[in-house]
Amino acid sequence: EDQVTQSPEALRLQEGESSSLNCSYTVSGLRGLFWYRQDPGKGPEFLFTLYSAGEEKEKERLKATLTKKESFLHITAPKPEDSATYLCAVQVRNTGNQFYFGTGTSLTVIP
Amino acid sequence: GAGVSQSPRYKVTKRGQDVALRCDPISGHVSLYWYRQALGQGPEFLTYFNYEAQQDKSGLPNDRFSAERPEGSISTLTIQRTEQRDSAMYRCASSPRGGLNTEAFFGQGTRLTVV
Repeated sequence: EDQVTQSPEALRLQEGESSSLNCSYTVSGLRGLFWYRQDPGKGPEFLFTLYSAGEEKEKERLKATLTKKESFLHITAPKPEDSATYLCAVQVRNTGNQFYFGTGTSLTVIP
Repeated sequence: GAGVSQSPRYKVTKRGQDVALRCDPISGHVSLYWYRQALGQGPEFLTYFNYEAQQDKSGLPNDRFSAERPEGSISTLTIQRTEQRDSAMYRCASSPRGGLNTEAFFGQGTRLTVV
């Protein structure tokens, strides 16, 4: 059974304290792994797509990496405005175009 | 429009009533998705369309739920004989190029409350 698991469920960081969020997946044929940011009361906002193991993408203080079993979202020197829920999702070969989402990591950055 | 638009933003309905939720995707986007999101959870897949064709409806919970996209643009998710357990945030997303290996753009959602 295809599964997407995110950890930790919640993370509190001091401003400037770097850390990583994890997304583990067990799927039969990964087509793509997607990271989204979701602010309270809003829809998920796209951040990155990763397609193959070893791939990395960066945007400001965020860097996403992918292995054959998991993806990490590294946050370097976070700021309070980085506080949000971070969701990962996968597209799986032979199961159509739908995205399977994890439950998310709620990040709080304290000034 | 500039983004995915959903209406209404909030809907309160009595148990047993039918509701129709509307999604207006980004212009030109081929794929349209419907998701349901409970508080503190990730979006749960319901159904998706490529153009006007419903490609997968395996996520629809039961036959009270249906969706259409007759002209390949605006979509309507209909819930008949609503029940309290249907209360949730319903989100629509669209993506270009048939959704293959492309990100989905989400709307603000419709908060449905069944009383």
